[in-house]
Amino acid sequence: DVHLVESGGDLVQPGGSLRLSCEASGFSFRSYWMTWVRQAPGKGLEWVANIQQDGSEAHYVDSVKGRFTISRDNSKNSVFLQMDSLRDEDTAVYYCARTAWTLRDYISYFDYWGQGTLVTVSS
Amino acid sequence: DIQMTQSPSSLSASVGDRVTITCRASRNISNFLNWYQQKPGKAPKLLISGASNFQSGVPSRFSGSASGADFTLTISTLQPEDFTTYFCQQSYNRPITFGQGTRLEMK
Repeated sequence: DVHLVESGGDLVQPGGSLRLSCEASGFSFRSYWMTWVRQAPGKGLEWVANIQQDGSEAHYVDSVKGRFTISRDNSKNSVFLQMDSLRDEDTAVYYCARTAWTLRDYISYFDYWGQGTLVTVSS
Repeated sequence: DIQMTQSPSSLSASVGDRVTITCRASRNISNFLNWYQQKPGKAPKLLISGASNFQSGVPSRFSGSASGADFTLTISTLQPEDFTTYFCQQSYNRPITFGQGTRLEMK
């Protein structure tokens, strides 16, 4: 069975840093793009960042560019999100998700999600 | 950025009803549209990819379709466990964006 387990969420002051981890099991981790999605309390879903299989390519939503860094360690089946210069508006549950693709049209989708880890930015 | 607009934002229905949720993209996204279900306190669950492709294990009462820029999620016969929130998501280009969600409530 596919499992994704996030950790690292905490209460942090504005301007602070936090590193989230997501450990994967049950599939060939190195074969998949991985994604972070967040959800502010009572709000909708927001794509944050994703990373290619070998870590050579990564993309970010504009609101986190220059502050967040996604990375991965395929030897540890893990993906990370380093979050610096945190702001109040970064408060959210952060989910990691496996990215898969349809075979015919190459449409990406998130087929497995972790349970999420809560990041609270507050003074 | 591509804006995804879901309607309605909330919907009241009864067990056994047929309901439809619509998602409209601000520009052409072909069929690069996925649907998710999210229960309170839980991670989203993929229902449909590529506008109409079923996911393994998803009940057959869920279906998706596309017509131009409009995408539809239909639940043919509502079950008690279906009363929760649904999101659409486009993966046509970055940034990947989600609809604001539709909350399905029991009448």
